[in-house]
Amino acid sequence: EAGVAQSPRYKIIEKRQSVAFWCNPISGHATLYWYQQILGQGPKLLIQFQNNGVVDDSQLPKDRFSAERLKGVDSTLKIQPAKLEDSAVYLCASSLGQGVRGTEAFFGQGTRLTVV
Amino acid sequence: AQSVTQLDSQVPVFEEAPVELRCNYSSSVSVYLFWYVQYPNQGLQLLLKYLSGSTLVKGINGFEAEFNKSQTSFHLRKPSVHISDTAEYFCAVSDPSGSEKLVFGKGTKLTVNP
Repeated sequence: EAGVAQSPRYKIIEKRQSVAFWCNPISGHATLYWYQQILGQGPKLLIQFQNNGVVDDSQLPKDRFSAERLKGVDSTLKIQPAKLEDSAVYLCASSLGQGVRGTEAFFGQGTRLTVV
Repeated sequence: AQSVTQLDSQVPVFEEAPVELRCNYSSSVSVYLFWYVQYPNQGLQLLLKYLSGSTLVKGINGFEAEFNKSQTSFHLRKPSVHISDTAEYFCAVSDPSGSEKLVFGKGTKLTVNP
């Protein structure tokens, strides 16, 4: 079974530029998460989708971050404009969702973003 | 709101020694509890989880954890570690009645020395 796919693996941009990350979840997984992991910290949820609807985006900096999940499958996360403090690893995860409680969230390898 | 405290940021041990990684959580509701492991430049992999029932949970790679509701703890243990266990370990909590989003601790870096 294929895992959660993310691209690119690494990205270096200058501050004030824009960047986009892509995620393809495990087939059949209804729930998709984007987490931000700053060096030395645990992952922090940015946004959670159930199919193509947003469940939780309370910690997403909406003035610069946006995310979409078209057709309830792939997802993109965009930052525009980027700030130095956005340097982090962006992790995508997926789980069965659909009311199945306590299911495991499977994580991709992440995209390491460096803003200079 | 839920939160997780991992009491040790770094734990160095020798190979074949036992290890305990400590985790305490704060929540006003019942919780699900998880331990994830992250190897360098990799995503997170689930080690074990507690949903309900027996408070002693066994996971992959010989790890186990015990849920203690009175002490709001979920410590991870392994009786004998290997070099290959060197990694970052994250404790996480979720609310079964909510969106089930994971709230992570800051992580514990386990280094196993020969």
